[in-house]
Amino acid sequence: QQQVKQSPQSLIVQKGGIPIINCAYENTAFDYFPWYQQFPGKGPALLIAIRPDVSEKKEGRFTISFNKSAKQFSLHIMDSQPGDSATYFCAASLVGGSARQLTFGSGTQLTVLP
Amino acid sequence: NAGVTQTPKFRVLKTGQSMTLLCAQDMNHEYMYWYRQDPGMGLRLIHYSVGEGTTAKGEVPDGYNVSRLKKQNFLLGLESAAPSQTSVYFCASSVQGIYTEAFFGQGTRLTVV
Repeated sequence: QQQVKQSPQSLIVQKGGIPIINCAYENTAFDYFPWYQQFPGKGPALLIAIRPDVSEKKEGRFTISFNKSAKQFSLHIMDSQPGDSATYFCAASLVGGSARQLTFGSGTQLTVLP
Repeated sequence: NAGVTQTPKFRVLKTGQSMTLLCAQDMNHEYMYWYRQDPGMGLRLIHYSVGEGTTAKGEVPDGYNVSRLKKQNFLLGLESAAPSQTSVYFCASSVQGIYTEAFFGQGTRLTVV
């Protein structure tokens, strides 16, 4: 049962392009939506995160757009660079059991061509 | 500052063998997690711990056991490895709180033949 659906599975853009990765969730109890970036051979690392009480958050070239009514959120990378080539995971968080748990999307492999 | 350290980084097991993966964190985090990462599946939570001496099941706990005898360490055990457990395993830790960051180790690539 996949509670967070992510698309596309892979994405190739030219340097300077604006890749967009989309995620949709089902459980309205989710209350925190982070994005993680993973380079080959490394563990995921937090990139940017948003709470459902805001519709957009920007950090440098990275922007999250959040649509609470549609239960969707997306990551935009402005002026993408070859160094942005990585796998990106969206996630959603809620308190489950005795701890806050993250549910991850399936990941998007981004390639930025020079 | 090492953060989250996993050992070993690579391992090949034969079906039926057992092994333990070790996760150590030096950030004094209360929460620790074990995930597995499979192509097209994202990261799925196996087990987690909210403190020393406590453990709980995640989304895919079958075939795994865990222990948290010390706050800084979280062990993941496979008692009888199966090919379906071939995966990359990640440990993570975080502080308590709502909007907190999970810090991940570099992963352990396990192959069961």
